[in-house]
Amino acid sequence: NAGVTQTPKFQVLKTGQSMTLQCAQDMNHNSMYWYRQDPGMGLRLIYYSASEGTTDKGEVPNGYNVSRLNKREFSLRLESAAPSQTSVYFCASTEFRVRGNQPQHFGDGTRLSIL
Amino acid sequence: AQSVTQPDIHITVSEGASLELRCNYSYGATPYLFWYVQSPGQGLQLLLKYFSGDTLVQGIKGFEAEFKRSQSSFNLRKPSVHWSDAAEYFCAVANILTSGTYKYIFGTGTRLKVLA
Repeated sequence: NAGVTQTPKFQVLKTGQSMTLQCAQDMNHNSMYWYRQDPGMGLRLIYYSASEGTTDKGEVPNGYNVSRLNKREFSLRLESAAPSQTSVYFCASTEFRVRGNQPQHFGDGTRLSIL
Repeated sequence: AQSVTQPDIHITVSEGASLELRCNYSYGATPYLFWYVQSPGQGLQLLLKYFSGDTLVQGIKGFEAEFKRSQSSFNLRKPSVHWSDAAEYFCAVANILTSGTYKYIFGTGTRLKVLA
């Protein structure tokens, strides 16, 4: 049972380059999320998708776009990378239920450096 | 606005000593509360969660947490720390969005160092 799988695990980009971070979950969860983690700042939500076909901005969406390709996959795209986007990116998923506190399941992260 | 505060950035304890990591939240309704652990180079792993019922919650790896509504706290405890517990610990609160999912808010984390 793989859970949440993120690719790639590491990436180095030059300023202005573009790339897409991939995320897939095999738990049939309806909701998926992208976070960035920076030292001393915890996890900050970039975008989320409540269900297939929907996406919404989180607290730090500028410079990013997302696609909920299907129920399993949720990708994050950097169109023109900037050094300020150097970070560790985590994808997470959860099954939303109105009467239940479901935790998130996390991937192992993508470590992205932008020179 | 909802928020989570972990006042201790770093904590160092000796192996075998007891541990308490503090978490305070700001949320109007009954909160969904979580503690996660992150080992170096890894994602976050759920330790325990709370929504309602018994205010003392048991989790994995011998951890427990106590919900105190009057203090808006959800502190994590372990009676005897092992060297393998060295990691970063995150407290989180979740609320339901009108879009039909949860929004999770994380604290900034507490890094635990364990001395042999």
